Formats: sequence, structure tokens, C-alpha cells
Amino acid sequence: DAGVIQSPRHEVTEMGQEVTLRCKPISGHNSLFWYRQTMMRGLELLIYFNNNVPIDDSGMPEDRFSAKMPNASFSTLKIQPSEPRDSAVYFCASNHAPTRTLRTGELFFGEGSRLTVL
Amino acid sequence: QKEVEQDPGPLSVPEGAIVSLNCTYSNSAFQYFMWYRQYSRKGPELLMYTYSSGNKEDGRFTAQVDKSSKYISLFIRDSQPSDSATYLCAMSPLSGFQKLVFGTGTRLLVSP
Repeated sequence: DAGVIQSPRHEVTEMGQEVTLRCKPISGHNSLFWYRQTMMRGLELLIYFNNNVPIDDSGMPEDRFSAKMPNASFSTLKIQPSEPRDSAVYFCASNHAPTRTLRTGELFFGEGSRLTVL
Repeated sequence: QKEVEQDPGPLSVPEGAIVSLNCTYSNSAFQYFMWYRQYSRKGPELLMYTYSSGNKEDGRFTAQVDKSSKYISLFIRDSQPSDSATYLCAMSPLSGFQKLVFGTGTRLLVSP
């Protein structure tokens, strides 16, 4: 089975440009997460969706960041305008939303999108 | 102060050594504890998962949770060069456990 698919794998852009990162979760998973990873701050949760609905976006750093999930198989994370401090690896992850009997918390991560803003 | 603290390393050991990786945390509401392994240029993958205090063993790996000290550990026996990776602890409370809080990760290097 295909895992979580992210694109692009690498993005180099100039300050002020719009950046769009894409994610295709594992088929059948109904929760999707966007994380950002930096050396200093580690993995930080930006936003997550259950059944395509945003549940918690408290980790989104600023209004320059937005995320959408128009359907169960696709999500985007957009940064507009981008700034050098946004340089990081952005991960998408998916899993089954928790139930009373399924609470492992295992996240399945994509390989990440490495963003460099000059 | 971060909710979860983890020594970034790197931790360098010879092949066959016993490795101890640790995290401390400040939120007493954390009930679920996980260890993820991340190879270079890859996404993290779940290695071990425990609920509340105690030990859990899986092959060469043992996860230990001490809630009274707010301290968790991952032990690797007979370490192999293929264990070279970054190990991230992660934890969440009983409610809101979709919001995993990760440590910054410890980089482990196992030399042949």
C-alpha cells in the first residue's frame, strides 16, 4: 500500500512568494496532520483535520499560513507571503481518528517537504 | 520551558552497546507515550507505544515510563549500525490525544 505522499519534496523560493505544499493521506485514514520540523523547535503540530474538518489550528504560526482539505484524499498547506523563518521540513501525517477501542496514536508520516525561503 | 525535553545528542556508541535514550516532561496529564525513529531525510515512524507507567519490551527495544518522575526511557540492546537514526519521544494526554507533543529528538550513531 502507498504511504502518505507529499509534494514537492524540495522547494526553494524567494521571500514574499507563495508556497503550496500538498499531501495525499493513506486511503481509509480519516485524520490528517500537518507538522513542521526545525532543529531548534523539533516537530510542531500546525493543524489537524478529522473527516476533512479542521479540528485544531492553534499551532498555525500566523495568518500567512492556511490549510485546506477539500476531500478525504487531498490536503494543502499554503504560506503567503513566505519568509526566511518559514524554512523547515513540513510533514504531513495521517491515521484513523480515535475510537473508544482504538487509541494507539500511531501517526503515519510522509517523507516531508523541505522548504527553503531565501 | 518546553513541555517535553530531550537531549539532542549526538550519542555515539560502538556496535553491540546498550543504548539509553531519555525524555523528561512537565505535563502530568500525559498518559500515552511513544517513541518514533526517524532516519535521515525520512519521516518519523512509530517504534514503541506505552500507556501509563511500566515497561514494555519488543525485541531489542524496551520502553520504560516513570510517571512519578515524569521520565521516560528507551533502551536498545545489542545496538546495530542500522539503529543509527534520530529517536523522538512523543506523548499526549488522555483527552486530546491526537495532539502529540514531540521531543526535539536524540541523534544516535552506532559505529561498526
